[in-house]
Amino acid sequence: QSALTQPASVSGSPGQSITISCTGTSSDVGGYNYVSWYQQHPGKAPKLMIYDVSNRPSGVSNRFSGSKSGNTASLTISGLQAEDEADYYCSSYTSSSTPVFGGGTKLTVL
Amino acid sequence: QVQLVQSGAEVKKPGSSVKVSCKASGGTFSSYAISWVRQAPGQGLEWMGRIIPILGIANYAQKFQGRVTITADKSTSTAYMELSSLRSEDTAVYYCARDRGIDSSGQYDYWGQGTLVTVSS
Repeated sequence: QSALTQPASVSGSPGQSITISCTGTSSDVGGYNYVSWYQQHPGKAPKLMIYDVSNRPSGVSNRFSGSKSGNTASLTISGLQAEDEADYYCSSYTSSSTPVFGGGTKLTVL
Repeated sequence: QVQLVQSGAEVKKPGSSVKVSCKASGGTFSSYAISWVRQAPGQGLEWMGRIIPILGIANYAQKFQGRVTITADKSTSTAYMELSSLRSEDTAVYYCARDRGIDSSGQYDYWGQGTLVTVSS
């Protein structure tokens, strides 16, 4: 199973909105609503930010939102804050009944 | 609140094996799949395999088939990941993670703190 495709980096200024894309195939992103997003700060474990494409776990800011269209999922962060600077990974369930991760996107808050 | 606590860092020789543990507390251990995900230095996340403790059934990523064994001890709420025939490319932080639902959808709401495994001669 090939990794999902994410941009290597994105950036934005405080208060702005950014969107990170995650492109797969009909065998993963396009075929299931089990798309999740993780935030990872340096030296820390990943943290679940979005599950089932667009649901937020309890405690995650509503500035984070997820969506999907066809084989591409997206994570949008609105009202960027300095603490949002981190690596972000998408993940999807696949037709092999296993998950696959994206390559990760480094978010820089300018 | 669920906590996953992993065993400490390991340094191993090429060709040897390593076994990492992941002890769960504060939740129902048996019903939720526990997966192992690794992250090589400066690289992304890579799924290795999972086990559903109540069933005792494990499945593995094709890349690791034959080299990884994931087990679980329900009596101590502990999952284990053993990786054999270690090579330098296996140097990574290894995480255990719990599926957020009993449907084993591969979406992880709880993660261990990570265990650094260094393979070096």
